[in-house]
Amino acid sequence: DVKVTQSSRYLVKRTGEKVFLECVQDMDHENMFWYRQDPGLGLRLIYFSYDVKMKEKGDIPEGYSVSREKKERFSLILESASTNQTSMYLCASSLRGQLENKPQHFGDGTRLSIL
Amino acid sequence: ELKVEQNPLFLSMQEGKNYTIYCNYSTTSDRLYWYRQDPGKSLESLFVLLSNGAVKQEGRLMASLDTKARLSTLHITAAVHDLSATYFCAVDMGWGAQKLVFGQGTRLTINP
Repeated sequence: DVKVTQSSRYLVKRTGEKVFLECVQDMDHENMFWYRQDPGLGLRLIYFSYDVKMKEKGDIPEGYSVSREKKERFSLILESASTNQTSMYLCASSLRGQLENKPQHFGDGTRLSIL
Repeated sequence: ELKVEQNPLFLSMQEGKNYTIYCNYSTTSDRLYWYRQDPGKSLESLFVLLSNGAVKQEGRLMASLDTKARLSTLHITAAVHDLSATYFCAVDMGWGAQKLVFGQGTRLTINP
């Protein structure tokens, strides 16, 4: 089974801090994704990556950056945390390719609170 | 901009009843996913629908896709308590690129 592991289940940080959320997958997937989940809004894509050192903006990239130095690891960075970034953050991974028809596999999520 | 809307957003039903969750989307896509999320848990993939007229079934859940109407349905037959969860549909924006747009989710509660 695919395992997507997020480094923390719960995290509390202060306004202005630089915050790192880590995600590791063990199935050699090319694609990796970061979402945030807020009540009534579903999941919204922040950034995604098709390969090492590649990144693309999703629908809500403002205030975030990402890093993918190794294929299995995708990091989300909040450059200067603000209270409106309090949310549940979900990482996902998937195989590349139109013909693979495979769903994304999700981690357990990190509930981040910014005080 | 692709928009995905689910309805209803909240659904409370009795065990043994049938019901349908609807997922409408605003632009052309031929690839749609259904996920389930239990409280405090991650998303679990239920179905991948790849073409017009696709129908998938697993136990008491059946999903279908009508790309011409831009509509997918998730039908629950003879509901049981274990199916209580939040269900999300997600539409692929472009030809399997896997850039997904999610619906708001439907919170389903099944009462004994």
